[in-house]
Amino acid sequence: RKEVEQDPGPFNVPEGATVAFNCTYSNSASQSFFWYRQDCRKEPKLLMSVYSSGNEDGRFTAQLNRASQYISLLIRDSKLSDSATYLCPLFSGNTGKLIFGQGTTLQVKP
Amino acid sequence: DADVTQTPRNRITKTGKRIMLECSQTKGHDRMYWYRQDPGLGLRLIYYSFDVKDINKGEISDGYSVSRQAQAKFSLSLESAIPNQTALYFCATSEGGVAFFGQGTRLTVV
Repeated sequence: RKEVEQDPGPFNVPEGATVAFNCTYSNSASQSFFWYRQDCRKEPKLLMSVYSSGNEDGRFTAQLNRASQYISLLIRDSKLSDSATYLCPLFSGNTGKLIFGQGTTLQVKP
Repeated sequence: DADVTQTPRNRITKTGKRIMLECSQTKGHDRMYWYRQDPGLGLRLIYYSFDVKDINKGEISDGYSVSRQAQAKFSLSLESAIPNQTALYFCATSEGGVAFFGQGTRLTVV
């Protein structure tokens, strides 16, 4: 089983829709969780950190479920500019290893 | 100037040639990483390093080697390039699990 798993999609949604995707991880020792965004042929960039209590940043909400070992990203009121691939890394503070999932592709249509 | 700089940005090389991809950073981070990205496969970790004396294999290190010449420099070498090493390569630094990526090197092996 891969250490980090994501549904590659693509998720095709209309503008204004709410969309959510998950990322499951297998290493329960993981301490830090994040969501990254990658535009086509560009480098990934940090979108937001994920905190145990859940957190919001504008239209984006991230949740962590340690018991079930997954994190989620909810995007409300989708914009065309949200079209990208969303990546969730698994970071182990003990080893420094940083592993990424396959990524989930979102396409927001007019 | 970018915090994480990769050179070259694009390279075409022949099968069997030795090639080095270079990465330098100005963020002062100890942790550095090399990834390759192929369509549909996400980011796969090749090697990572805590400091000049610490080098660790990632998920797909076969056919690659690295050198951490200084805290700021981390090079990836392909001793004898083969066509299935054609990919987009990213260097990254990390602090506390938050990663900062270079702009990528697009390598084509013909």
